[in-house]
Amino acid sequence: GENVEQHPSTLSVQEGDSAVIKCTYSDSASNYFPWYKQELGKGPQLIIDIRSNVGEKKDQRIAVTLNKTAKHFSLHITETQPEDSAVYFCAASGRAGSYQLTFGKGTKLSVIP
Amino acid sequence: SAVISQKPSRDICQRGTSLTIQCQVDSQVTMMFWYRQQPGQSLTLIATANQGSEATYESGFVIDKFPISRPNLTFSTLTVSNMSPEDSSIYLCSVRGASRGSNYGYTFGSGTRLTVV
Repeated sequence: GENVEQHPSTLSVQEGDSAVIKCTYSDSASNYFPWYKQELGKGPQLIIDIRSNVGEKKDQRIAVTLNKTAKHFSLHITETQPEDSAVYFCAASGRAGSYQLTFGKGTKLSVIP
Repeated sequence: SAVISQKPSRDICQRGTSLTIQCQVDSQVTMMFWYRQQPGQSLTLIATANQGSEATYESGFVIDKFPISRPNLTFSTLTVSNMSPEDSSIYLCSVRGASRGSNYGYTFGSGTRLTVV
């Protein structure tokens, strides 16, 4: 089955700096890659996603890049703010006949004011 | 995207008892999923809840321990049976978006925080 590796497990940045979280996946048939933000005591919230027919997608301060050949994708957050502090999860899905999400282990992002 | 109402939000239960968690969606969706998230950990898929048929369970999860109902396209329940302290976790339901406009993205409920004592 699919295996998703996520790095780093923790990340501290100064407010205003950029943050980058990287994930690799094992199943070349996967074609959907979402990113979730989870705040304490809440369920995961979808913040951005990308499909395998696209190399990059941007939504304001958040961007995701995908390298299908290398089987890795990354989340980029620019101009970080304290409210960006949370746990971020990457996931992969889409193998033919399967709609299950396989998650990475998560990255705890702390934005220091 | 779909709006999910999950109940209860938290509970403290005695070992040996059972708890049923409800997931209500504001629109009809084909695919509903149940996940477990142990403290400080990632999300692990328990099963896919199929309307009108038996749920499909992942390796390590069995129907006797986690029976699931899916009576219609907007509702599902997960029961955690004969609980032990090892079942203490957050349980989350999730749905896959039903339209191209939603990019077929997956939405999660707010979770049920279960503590077994």
